[in-house]
Amino acid sequence: QSALTQPPSASGSPGQSVTISCTGTSSDVGGSSYVSWFQQHPGKAPKLLIYAVTRRPSGVPDRFSGSKSGNTASLTVSGLQDEDEADYYCSSFAGTTSVLFGGGTKLTVL
Amino acid sequence: QVQLVESGGGVVQPGRSLRLSCEAFGFTFSDHGYQWVRQAPGKGLEWVAFIWVDGSRESHADTVKGRFTISRDNAKNTLFLQMNSLRVEDTARYYCAKDMAINGLDLWGQGTTVTVSS
Repeated sequence: QSALTQPPSASGSPGQSVTISCTGTSSDVGGSSYVSWFQQHPGKAPKLLIYAVTRRPSGVPDRFSGSKSGNTASLTVSGLQDEDEADYYCSSFAGTTSVLFGGGTKLTVL
Repeated sequence: QVQLVESGGGVVQPGRSLRLSCEAFGFTFSDHGYQWVRQAPGKGLEWVAFIWVDGSRESHADTVKGRFTISRDNAKNTLFLQMNSLRVEDTARYYCAKDMAINGLDLWGQGTTVTVSS
């Protein structure tokens, strides 16, 4: 059960778009319809941004979008805002018996 | 108010046990599956266990398998994590989370801290 691979950091200026990748294998990301993305501000619990690869829960701005190609899932944040500065984590079901998280990406808004 | 409230954390010596609880408020507890997720100090999220909506399936991470057990009591609207043979590396903040869909953790508790130290 190895963690999914995310870049440790990403950055962008307000108004720009940033994409964070999440790479796994055909046994998890590549073979799963259950890829999620979470946002975590310091000292807070994680917040669900994306589930089922591309779906957004109610209340999450459409600036956040998810996609997947092969064994890599991606989260795109468009129109960056100061409050988007946070840690972002991907997660995927691996088969039917385990869940994997990525190592996390610290997003800095310049 | 829709929320999950964890309790049961604390400081414990290696090899001892703890039971974490996660009580649900403001929604129908029995309609959902749940996960436990932990976060060591300064580290990322780590999946610990999940339990299916009807309790028919549960699974645990390899790092806790055989030591931790997830369970639920729908009558008490409560999720549990029994943690035995605790190790120093189990030190973390433990979160429970409600699953709105498979792996769609849309509601998280505030977390409870477990410190394993001699």
